Amino acid sequence: GEEVAQTPKHLVRGEGQKAKLYCAPIKGHSYVFWYQQVLKNEFKFLISFQNENVFDETGMPKERFSAKCLPNSPCSLEIQATKLEDSAVYFCASSRQQGPSYEQYFGPGTRLTVT
Amino acid sequence: KQEVTQIPAALSVPEGENLVLNCSFTDSAIYNLQWFRQDPGKGLTSLLLIQSSQREQTSGRLNASLDKSSGRSTLYIAASQPGDSATYLCAVWEGSQGNLIFGKGTKLSVKP
Repeated sequence: GEEVAQTPKHLVRGEGQKAKLYCAPIKGHSYVFWYQQVLKNEFKFLISFQNENVFDETGMPKERFSAKCLPNSPCSLEIQATKLEDSAVYFCASSRQQGPSYEQYFGPGTRLTVT
Repeated sequence: KQEVTQIPAALSVPEGENLVLNCSFTDSAIYNLQWFRQDPGKGLTSLLLIQSSQREQTSGRLNASLDKSSGRSTLYIAASQPGDSATYLCAVWEGSQGNLIFGKGTKLSVKP
């Protein structure tokens, strides 16, 4: 598609439950990025993929967070045993290639509320 | 560690005014700088991307400048309209990994 698609739009989970978010990048884009936006507009980079390979995971809280980008499937971000502090909007972005000439295009986000 | 700061945090102007939004970054070794717009409850819309070798980029009523040596960028909006009301974020791309580092944004309100 021509836009980054994210599902679901909203997700509510009780503390300790699992949450799974999905992202379909723009067709033809090789790179996918996940960002977390918490209150006060603080964006935090989580992980990036080059096709199905992890490119950079320096921002991932590895204890409970995992992500995948499998061929012919939407990318996913999974949070095991959610905590209240995981409440945020999770954005996915894609770019055609890696490099400063290539813009990152963002999806509409998934709002996760942990109660 | 790179830090991106945007001033002011909020700005309210009457329709028709020209305005400037500011973005500063602590490490000048950036590869590019991107300005985004975020509407409430929505994703980010890319407005302008400035490569590190460029001084400015223009799109319609928007003009963004970049001064790497001083660690500053400005977004100039000419003849502001109520439809320009949104939060404007700047982000820098540094290093080989390519993830963006964001400022906290300027919330702009243009009054009719």
